This record gives sequence, structure tokens and C-alpha cells, in this order.
Amino acid sequence: ETGVTQTPRHLVMGMTNKKSLKCEQHLGHNAMYWYKQSAKKPLELMFVYNFKEQTENNSVPSRFSPECPNSSHLFLHLHTLQPEDSALYLCASSHREIMNTEAFFGQGTRLTVV
Amino acid sequence: GQQLNQSPQSMFIQEGEDVSMNCTSSSIFNTWLWYKQEPGEGPVLLIALYKAGELTSNGRLTAQFGITRKDSFLNISASIPSDVGIYFCAGRVNYGGATNKLIFGTGTLLAVQP
Repeated sequence: ETGVTQTPRHLVMGMTNKKSLKCEQHLGHNAMYWYKQSAKKPLELMFVYNFKEQTENNSVPSRFSPECPNSSHLFLHLHTLQPEDSALYLCASSHREIMNTEAFFGQGTRLTVV
Repeated sequence: GQQLNQSPQSMFIQEGEDVSMNCTSSSIFNTWLWYKQEPGEGPVLLIALYKAGELTSNGRLTAQFGITRKDSFLNISASIPSDVGIYFCAGRVNYGGATNKLIFGTGTLLAVQP
């Protein structure tokens, strides 16, 4: 248990569906991240939120839409995805204001787009 | 952009053997982190390194932050079957007032035969 919880653990969706991934952290952190993990590739940073403000969008297609209503919760809204978007989506959190700090990850959502 | 070269890509060893893996980069990092990921789970932090030359242990694991700040290694002594997983290095770059970026290596797959 890392203190970062992601739901659902598995998701299968059609290309015309709309779904959302949820992440919640109980560590008192104020920075939250979405990463994409595809086979045989390094983890790719998608979005960063610091104190609920988005501070990084790593050229992610608009079919991925993040939302951070407070520093404990992070969502990733999905719509009109493509099969190549199938991957493990990982949420992480850390302290923003402490310069050298670890990021703690959730267990991930395994997304399959059919 | 920054890249982390992690080696080896995979290792197949006998229980009881020692393991060594490393990450190198052409860029300087302020923090090195080592994570382990098991199938279907998110990465779990093993060791964090904050200073050049730092050597840190966590049980049978030992990691070092290279003097040049461009590399790090992880050693596992007397491996056991539960050490199986993918090990990732990650380097953190601080951009002053901007977001701290965590760059991940491509991972080392470790298989341990009883």
C-alpha cells in the first residue's frame, strides 16, 4: 500500500466511449502526476498538477483530459480513444515544494481500447 | 531531451546470486530513484539518493549516486525468487521554479530461478 489508490484497476472501452480514471492520495502531497506505460517504452509523463494547477502537459492529445479538483484527487477523462492508447496508466504524487523528493505511484489502471 | 540508458535490459539468474544494474545519462541529475514493478502493479520506491557519491542500503539492496551525477547503480545481494520484477531507475531534474521532472529508464527485467 503506497497511499495512492487508482480506480478502476482494469478498463475495456470502445473507441466511441467516454470513461474516467480516478486517483486519490492520502499522503498529504500537493503534486500529482499521470504517466502512461506502454510495452517496451520508458514511463511517459503526461500531466503534472501542483497545488491543483496544471503545470505540465507533455504534448498529450486532447482526447485525454485531466482534472484536479483538489490536491488529493486527480482524474483522467477519456473520450474517442484509439487502440494505440491501450496501456497501463499510472498516477503518482509527491511534495512539490521539497526539491529532492520521491514520487509514490498507484497500482495503475490497465486500459484496453477496442 | 534527457535520456536514461539502463542496462542490462534483462537478467536471468539463479537464486543466491548477486545482481548489478546501472543507469547512465549524458545529463546531470539532482536525485536518483530506484523503483521495482511487479506484474499488474505500479512501481514501488526502493531507494532514493540525493547527493553525488551517496551510497545507500535497504536490506539486500544497495544503490549509489555517481560522483559525476550522471549515473547510478543498484546491487541486489543473495537474490531470492521474490526479487523477480522490472527495476527502473529514475532521475530528477529541478528546473528552478518550474516543475521537477522525473525521467525514467527503460527498465531491467530480473528473473530468478529457484
